[in-house]
Amino acid sequence: AQSVTQLGSHVSVSEGALVLLRCNYSSSVPPYLFWYVQYPNQGLQLLLKYTSAATLVKGINGFEAEFKKSETSFHLTKPSAHMSDAAEYFCAVTLGGSQGNLIFGKGTKLSVKP
Amino acid sequence: EAGVAQSPRYKIIEKRQSVAFWCNPISGHATLYWYQQILGQGPKLLIQFQNNGVVDDSQLPKDRFSAERLKGVDSTLKIQPAKLEDSAVYLCASSLRRPSGERTDTQYFGPGTRLTVL
Repeated sequence: AQSVTQLGSHVSVSEGALVLLRCNYSSSVPPYLFWYVQYPNQGLQLLLKYTSAATLVKGINGFEAEFKKSETSFHLTKPSAHMSDAAEYFCAVTLGGSQGNLIFGKGTKLSVKP
Repeated sequence: EAGVAQSPRYKIIEKRQSVAFWCNPISGHATLYWYQQILGQGPKLLIQFQNNGVVDDSQLPKDRFSAERLKGVDSTLKIQPAKLEDSAVYLCASSLRRPSGERTDTQYFGPGTRLTVL
């Protein structure tokens, strides 16, 4: 069975600093991986997804993530944090195909200090 | 293009009462999902529909939860009777294609319904 682990339930950075949110996955077959963002009282919005093409995936709002099979990781990064990036971020894995349901991590809440 | 619509946005009920949530997916999306998101956790799939048929309901507590998607468009999720532990945000998501093939589709989420059971 597949699963994801997000390290750190809460990450705090200063505005302009590097954002690094960690996600490790467990899967018996090559997975598809996603990062979603959730703003307060809103649904989840897709940031980016890995579907076995390029290992470095660029998403919206300046975020990117790199799939590293050897480390079973899919960490999310952004070079320079903005105040508007404050939200909760979820990593998710799916096997795709007929088993297309997403398995989510517990989430990481990102705070951005001025 | 309109997104996934859900109503109501908030609901407060007492335990043992019943409640229903409604979801209207993005037009043309064949697959519809209901997730439960308990505070402090990631969303957990409750049920997945392909058109009006159930693909996966293995994590749906069938003694109290039910869901339907009669015409392959809108869907309703019901809880009867509600328990305190059902307090959560119920998210509906939809995706375009059938859950088959080499690649996986993007799921688009609605704003959710926040349920509080007292």
